[in-house]
Amino acid sequence: QSVLTQPPSVSAAPGQKVTISCSGSSSNIGNNFVCWYRQLPGTAPKLLISDNNQRQSGIPDRFSGSKSGTSATLGITGLQTGDEGDYYCGTWDNNLSIYVFGPGTKVTVL
Amino acid sequence: EVQLVESGGGLVQPGGSLTLSCAASGFTFTNHWMAWVRQGPGKGLEWVANINQYGGEKYYVDSVKGRFTISRDNAKNSVFLQMSGLRAEDTAVYYCVRASGSCYPSWGQGTLVTVSS
Repeated sequence: QSVLTQPPSVSAAPGQKVTISCSGSSSNIGNNFVCWYRQLPGTAPKLLISDNNQRQSGIPDRFSGSKSGTSATLGITGLQTGDEGDYYCGTWDNNLSIYVFGPGTKVTVL
Repeated sequence: EVQLVESGGGLVQPGGSLTLSCAASGFTFTNHWMAWVRQGPGKGLEWVANINQYGGEKYYVDSVKGRFTISRDNAKNSVFLQMSGLRAEDTAVYYCVRASGSCYPSWGQGTLVTVSS
């Protein structure tokens, strides 16, 4: 199983808000920056948020990231159909000396 | 514009070998760690290995240690993944990625490796 934990899926109606949690430990999230990626079907993942809360160029401010202790959260407000996809958190793990991804969360717009 | 173009994927028998290549352009190659990330069919992302700017530091996920080797040729702006002792569970799309800080902002389009008899 994954070192990081994410909910398998979240859903909400258009215009609503969803949050995706990413839980880890002191060897990963607790002492390293967290990154958030989105993958649309049939495409390569895309970096949305770096360094816990820094939106990449071109990413709307509807997307936000935060971190507290050994957990991180991605928030998406004003949900749009184009936001559907799989979202992954990622960070370095100091004990394992590898980069770890969460198992992914599927976002569905109802 | 950053571009990462993978090649070398294909069908290989269990126990076989394959070398993936990634041609990078649009950035100063020697400024960045590089890595390979894979995604099995219907599965999530799995980080495979990374290499530092001059190839002196490398890390691997346990499941590929002793079987895969990551390397780079800075003169050719390329990174490679030599894979041997391939298993069915290595079947995946393999992405070449560029690191920046703690994250991977640049991804190739991926190359499919299928291990099957």
